[in-house]
Amino acid sequence: AQSVTQLGSHVSVSEGALVLLRCNYSSSVPPYLFWYVQYPNQGLQLLLKYTSAATLVKGINGFEAEFKKSETSFHLTKPSAHMSDAAEYFCAVSDRSSGTYKYIFGTGTRLKVLA
Amino acid sequence: SQTIHQWPATLVQPVGSPLSLECTVEGTSNPNLYWYRQAAGRGLQLLFYSVGIGQISSEVPQNLSASRPQDRQFILSSKKLLLSDSGFYLCAQRGSGNTIYFGEGSWLTVV
Repeated sequence: AQSVTQLGSHVSVSEGALVLLRCNYSSSVPPYLFWYVQYPNQGLQLLLKYTSAATLVKGINGFEAEFKKSETSFHLTKPSAHMSDAAEYFCAVSDRSSGTYKYIFGTGTRLKVLA
Repeated sequence: SQTIHQWPATLVQPVGSPLSLECTVEGTSNPNLYWYRQAAGRGLQLLFYSVGIGQISSEVPQNLSASRPQDRQFILSSKKLLLSDSGFYLCAQRGSGNTIYFGEGSWLTVV
């Protein structure tokens, strides 16, 4: 079965610094991978997704992620952090092994941006 | 695009009372629907998913149940709430591009 591991439950960066949020996945088939962002007391919003096309995926708000099969990773990056990026970020994998689509999420990484 | 309505947005219920959280979606017919729970520090836990009317799959044994009485309606229920049922409940729909889309969530506090 598919699974997702997010390293670091809390990450702090200075405003203007590089953002790097780590995600590793386990999948027996080519996966669909996703990053979502959650602002306080809200649902999850899709940032970007990988669906076996380009390995470098660009998303909203200046975020991008690179699919690396050899490392089973899908890390999320942003060159320059903004205060508005403070939120919780979730990596997810689509599990199709059961014959239907289930989406497995990591435990999340809370990003704090320091002024 | 997918539009997902959840209500109530917040709920405070005593232990032992019943629960009903409702979700309705717009968009394509016969969507895959999901209920997730988010507890502090534990990420999103898939509770139930449904591929059609009356078809419910449970992911974890628990005090909750789900029903899908209509194509675009998904209901989360409990007969008797426990303290451990407290959390943020999210309804979701599989949409275009095999992407899952979420509603705004329902906060449940069991006291």
